[in-house]
Amino acid sequence: SQQGEEDPQALSIQEGENATMNCSYKTSINNLQWYRQNSGRGLVHLILIRSNEREKHSGRLRVTLDTSKKSSSLLITASRAADTASYFCSSSGNQFYFGTGTSLTVIP
Amino acid sequence: NAGVTQTPKFQVLKTGQSMTLQCAQDMNHNSMYWYRQDPGMGLRLIYYSASEGTTDKGEVPNGYNVSRLNKREFSLRLESAAPSQTSVYFCASSEWTVSTGELFFGEGSRLTVL
Repeated sequence: SQQGEEDPQALSIQEGENATMNCSYKTSINNLQWYRQNSGRGLVHLILIRSNEREKHSGRLRVTLDTSKKSSSLLITASRAADTASYFCSSSGNQFYFGTGTSLTVIP
Repeated sequence: NAGVTQTPKFQVLKTGQSMTLQCAQDMNHNSMYWYRQDPGMGLRLIYYSASEGTTDKGEVPNGYNVSRLNKREFSLRLESAAPSQTSVYFCASSEWTVSTGELFFGEGSRLTVL
C-alpha cells in the first residue's frame, strides 16, 4: 500500500472503555484524516488533523499526529456499542491513500 | 441531498465480460475517485479525476478504464473482467484533489467475477 498500516488490525473492548488505534504512513502529508466504515457501507469522515497540528478533539474523539514518526493515533473515549465499525486513516499528500483499517468491536 | 450515488449495487459477471460502474455526485465537487476494497488490503486507489476533463492512474489501474463524463459523473469500466477483479468498488468525491478537505463516499458496488 502507498499509505501504511493501522494497528491493531482488530480490537475488542467493553462498552464504556476507551479504544485507541494507531496509524503509520509513508510519505509527507498535508493532513491526515480518520474515517469510519460500518459493515456493508461506505466510509464516513470523522476528523482531519493538519500537518502542523499535534492534537485535535471532536466530541469523544481525540487524534494525535507525530510527523517525525509518521504516525497518528485515534482515541475514542467512553465507547458505545454503536462505535463498532472499521476505522481507517488516510494520509493526504497528493492523493488520499488509505491503510488496511482497524476493526473495532464494542461489547455491550 | 443524495451525495455520491453508485450503480449498480451488486453485479455478477463471467470472466471476459465487460461492464461499467456509474458514479454521480451532486455536491459540485471538482475531484472524483474510484477505489477497490479487498479483505486485508484496505482501500486501494484505482483512478482519479482531479477536475473535469482530466483522469490519472492510482495504485492499481491495470484492467480498468475511466471516463469523467462531466463534473458530476465519473464511470469505471472493466473491459474484460477477471476473477481478480472481484471486489467492492467505492466511488468518492472531494472539493479539491490536494486534500484540504474530506472525501465523501458512495455506498459501494459489489462485483463478483466468476
